[in-house]
Amino acid sequence: DQQVKQNSPSLSVQEGRISILNCDYTNSMFDYFLWYKKYPAEGPTFLISISSIKDKNEDGRFTVFLNKSAKHLSLHIVPSQPGDSAVYFCAATFQGAQKLVFGQGTRLTINP
Amino acid sequence: DAGVIQSPRHEVTEMGQEVTLRCKPISGHNSLFWYRQTMMRGLELLIYFNNNVPIDDSGMPEDRFSAKMPNASFSTLKIQPSEPRDSAVYFCASSSQNSNQPQHFGDGTRLSIL
Repeated sequence: DQQVKQNSPSLSVQEGRISILNCDYTNSMFDYFLWYKKYPAEGPTFLISISSIKDKNEDGRFTVFLNKSAKHLSLHIVPSQPGDSAVYFCAATFQGAQKLVFGQGTRLTINP
Repeated sequence: DAGVIQSPRHEVTEMGQEVTLRCKPISGHNSLFWYRQTMMRGLELLIYFNNNVPIDDSGMPEDRFSAKMPNASFSTLKIQPSEPRDSAVYFCASSSQNSNQPQHFGDGTRLSIL
């Protein structure tokens, strides 16, 4: 039973355009969400997070949107840069908990 | 600042052998996590420690797997005996125990069991 799903295994975007990565979850008890970025042969790196009391969190070029009623979150990267090419993982947990449940990841490729 | 350090980076061994993976967390972090990444199951939590004490090992697949944290700066994940289906990338991560502090990952150990 996959509680966190990233239905797009891959995404290709032109440099300078917006990249939108999607994530769905099934457990309505999740109330804290994170995005991690992973380059080949490296560990995942924390990117941005959002609590369920918000519907948007922004950090520079990265914005995460949360739609609780749809159990859906998305990561927007604008403008996309070649260095953004990586695998992006969505993760979910409960406030105060430490266990993260990860999605399968989406491979983002930024084309020059 | 030194991040989470894992060793070895790669391990190739024959089935039936004992495998020991090592992890040094970030200094000052009191939570440590072991994950496994496979194509089939993605990134899954195996076990985590707070203040060197195992808190949740429900993700450990079998009794062949064991993890220890003898002190705040060192942890091991041991597989004995190893099987081909244990082949995966194993990540260690650490964080502050404070609520929702992000986990910092090491670069992983790629394990191949022949």
